[in-house]
Order: sequence, then structure tokens, then C-alpha cells
Amino acid sequence: DAGVIQSPRHEVTEMGQEVTLRCKPISGHNSLFWYRQTMMRGLELLIYFNNNVPIDDSGMPEDRFSAKMPNASFSTLKIQPSEPRDSAVYFCASGLLGPTRNTEAFFGQGTRLTVV
Amino acid sequence: KNEVEQSPQNLTAQEGEFITINCSYSVGISALHWLQQHPGGGIVSLFMLSSGKKKHGRLIATINIQEKHSSLHITASHPRDSAVYICAVRDNFGNEKLTFGTGTRLTIIP
Repeated sequence: DAGVIQSPRHEVTEMGQEVTLRCKPISGHNSLFWYRQTMMRGLELLIYFNNNVPIDDSGMPEDRFSAKMPNASFSTLKIQPSEPRDSAVYFCASGLLGPTRNTEAFFGQGTRLTVV
Repeated sequence: KNEVEQSPQNLTAQEGEFITINCSYSVGISALHWLQQHPGGGIVSLFMLSSGKKKHGRLIATINIQEKHSSLHITASHPRDSAVYICAVRDNFGNEKLTFGTGTRLTIIP
């Protein structure tokens, strides 16, 4: 398996533009996580899905952020409109939710977003 | 909310030295992860543990549930071990959220 695949790897956009980040989880995994990493706040969970259903989106900073998972092999994180403070590295991770509820996390390479 | 603290924040050591990185958390957890982030930015999961000890090659992770403390050890350290090591905990509250420490930046000098 190629692992968790994120695209694009880098994105530079102007303030006010819509940004869409994409993630393909590892085949067979049933949970997917979106994280944001900044120098100031480190890694933070934005939202996670289980069986394509959003379970906890309490980390989504505001209404400008939205995430979808239309099927088991694809998820998007959208920012509209983007602002300079959204500049960060966004990671997607997937895992397998088992009976013990302990899930190994496999991370994608991240998308470095710069909003100017 | 669980508070996760790592120490030290930065660590520089000579090649071959034994390395210990510590992680403490404030409330009960269901699992603890150790992650490695290389300068290129990718994150790799090293260990997931809920009790005892795990070993993989030169890496050893231990956890003491009563003391709410975990350590990551690296034996015979090598320059390629230079990375940021991040501790993350999963709550006992039946969800999959991870709370992250701020990371330990390790530099191994040849």
C-alpha cells in the first residue's frame, strides 16, 4: 500500500480564496483524521471520521473550515475564505478502529498551506 | 482536557549515547503514542502502548499508568535519529481524539 496520500504537497494562495486539501486513506482503514500543525500550537486535531461519518469536529476552528468524506477512499478539507492565519501544515491520518478502540495512526506527508 | 508535557524540549547528544525522552499527562488515558517527525516534515508512528513496554530495534517505549508517565529510549543513538519526537495520548472517554505534546527536538552529533 502507498500509505496515506495527500494532495497537494504545497499550496500558496491569496487571502480570500477557497482552498481544498485532499486525502486518500489507506485501503481498509475505517477512521480518518485531519490535523493542523503550527509553530505556535503544535499538532491539533481538527476533525475525525469513523466509517465516513464525522464523529468529532470540535477542533474545527470556525465556519470557514469544512470537511467531507463522501466515501471510504477520499476526504477533503476546505477553507473558504482563507486567511493568512490559516497558514500551517495540514496532516491527514488514517487508522483501523478495533474492538479495543486502540488505533494505530498512519500519517500522510502533509500539505503545507501558505495564505498570503 | 488532558495536558501533555514533554521533556526536554531540546536535546543534543553525541552519536552512541543513550537517549531518554519523557512524557507526562494529567488524566487517565486509553493509549499513548510516540511519533517521529523528520526535518522533511513527515510523521511516523513509532509506538502505541497502553501498558508495560515495547521495543523496536534500538527504540524502547515504556509507560507507567499509575504515575501517568511514559519514556522513549534510544540506544546507540545515530545521526539519523535526529528528529522531533512527539508524545500523544488518547483519552479514556471513548473517542479517538489525540492530545499532543509539544515535541522534543533531538539532534545527534556524529
